[in-house]
Amino acid sequence: RKEVEQDPGPFNVPEGATVAFNCTYSNSASQSFFWYRQDCRKEPKLLMSVYSSGNEDGRFTAQLNRASQYISLLIRDSKLSDSATYLCVVNMGEGNKLTFGTGTQLKVEL
Amino acid sequence: DVKVTQSSRYLVKRTGEKVFLECVQDMDHENMFWYRQDPGLGLRLIYFSYDVKMKEKGDIPEGYSVSREKKERFSLILESASTNQTSMYLCASRGPDRRIQYFGAGTRLSVL
Repeated sequence: RKEVEQDPGPFNVPEGATVAFNCTYSNSASQSFFWYRQDCRKEPKLLMSVYSSGNEDGRFTAQLNRASQYISLLIRDSKLSDSATYLCVVNMGEGNKLTFGTGTQLKVEL
Repeated sequence: DVKVTQSSRYLVKRTGEKVFLECVQDMDHENMFWYRQDPGLGLRLIYFSYDVKMKEKGDIPEGYSVSREKKERFSLILESASTNQTSMYLCASRGPDRRIQYFGAGTRLSVL
C-alpha cells in the first residue's frame, strides 16, 4: 500500500461545477497535511494546509478525518484556471520529510 | 519572494557520465531537498540537507550523492548516469515555516 494514495483522475468538470478529491494516508502518526498544486510543466506550490477542524480559503475547502486517515479538497465554482494536478502531501512525523501523493489531475472545461 | 534556481531546465547525458545538478536558493533557508518526479510515482525524495555539510538519505538515494558546501547551494550528483535515471528532478528549500517547500522549476534529465 502506498503511503499517500490519490485517484489520478483526470476529473473533467464543466466550469462552475463543484469537485472533490480525496486522499488516504497509511501512517496514523502523521502530523500535518497539505494540498499542493502543480500546473503542467511547472513546479508544485503550496495551495493550503489542512487543519483538524477543517479550513476554507475562498472557493477551496480542506478537511481532515484522522479516524479514517483521509483528507479531502473541495473546489466550488470551478474556474478554467483551476485546471492542474493537486498533490496530497503528508508530514508523517519523520523530521523534515514530506511524503507526496502522485496527484489528482483536474481539467475544467467550458 | 523566495527564489529557488536550478541551473538547467533540460539536460541530455550519456550512460556512464557523471552528472551535476545544481540548486541555489536566496532566502537563507536551512533545509534543502532533492526529488525526482516520474509519471505514476509522484515526487520521491532522494536526499535532503538540514544544514551546511549535513545530508540525509531520502527514500531513493541509490545511484545519487549530494553536496552542501554552502548554505545556499545544494548539488545532486549522479556518479555514473544510467537510463533509469531519466526523470524530472526538482530541488526545494524550506525555511522557518515548515508547511512550505519552495520548488525550483525542475531539470528534465534524459540519459541516453
